[in-house]
Amino acid sequence: AQSVSQHNHHVILSEAASLELGCNYSYGGTVNLFWYVQYPGQHLQLLLKYFSGDPLVKGIKGFEAEFIKSKFSFNLRKPSVQWSDTAEYFCAVNARDTGRRALTFGSGTRLQVQP
Amino acid sequence: DTGVSQDPRHKITKRGQNVTFRCDPISEHNRLYWYRQTLGQGPEFLTYFQNEAQLEKSRLLSDRFSAERPKGSFSTLEIQRTEQGDSAMYLCASSYSGQETQYFGPGTRLLVL
Repeated sequence: AQSVSQHNHHVILSEAASLELGCNYSYGGTVNLFWYVQYPGQHLQLLLKYFSGDPLVKGIKGFEAEFIKSKFSFNLRKPSVQWSDTAEYFCAVNARDTGRRALTFGSGTRLQVQP
Repeated sequence: DTGVSQDPRHKITKRGQNVTFRCDPISEHNRLYWYRQTLGQGPEFLTYFQNEAQLEKSRLLSDRFSAERPKGSFSTLEIQRTEQGDSAMYLCASSYSGQETQYFGPGTRLLVL
């Protein structure tokens, strides 16, 4: 079974700082990868996704993520964070080659951006 | 609002009582998922329907839990004889065949006293 590790549980940044959130998964087969965001008081929303092709994917609000297959990683980046990026970020994976639809989530990273 | 909706949004119950939650997926989405999220953790998969067929069940789904999607539209999740450990946020998501992206609802927060 696959698992997802998000090593940064709580990150505090000042506005305009650069962001990189780590995500590593354990599964040797073909995967679909996702980053979801949960703003305070709101439900989970898709930030970006990777299925195949260009390993650098761009999402909403200036976020991007890079899939590095050899490292089993899918790190999320943003060059300059804003106060409105304060939220919890979840990385998720599903094993595409098994036909299973269940997403496996990491435990999340709480990002706090200080003005 | 055409997103995934869940009802109720909050539920407080006493240990041993039964509870039922409802999820209405995005219109025309034929896949529906249930997840559970506890504090400080990411969502954990419970079960998945394609149309009315329940195709995947997690081992987290004990025999006290049952989910249905009788007409392939809305779904219900019932927990019988609730325990304090059942306290969590229950999330519903939906997707369309051929599209892997799951869209989540606001969740039902359950507190078992």
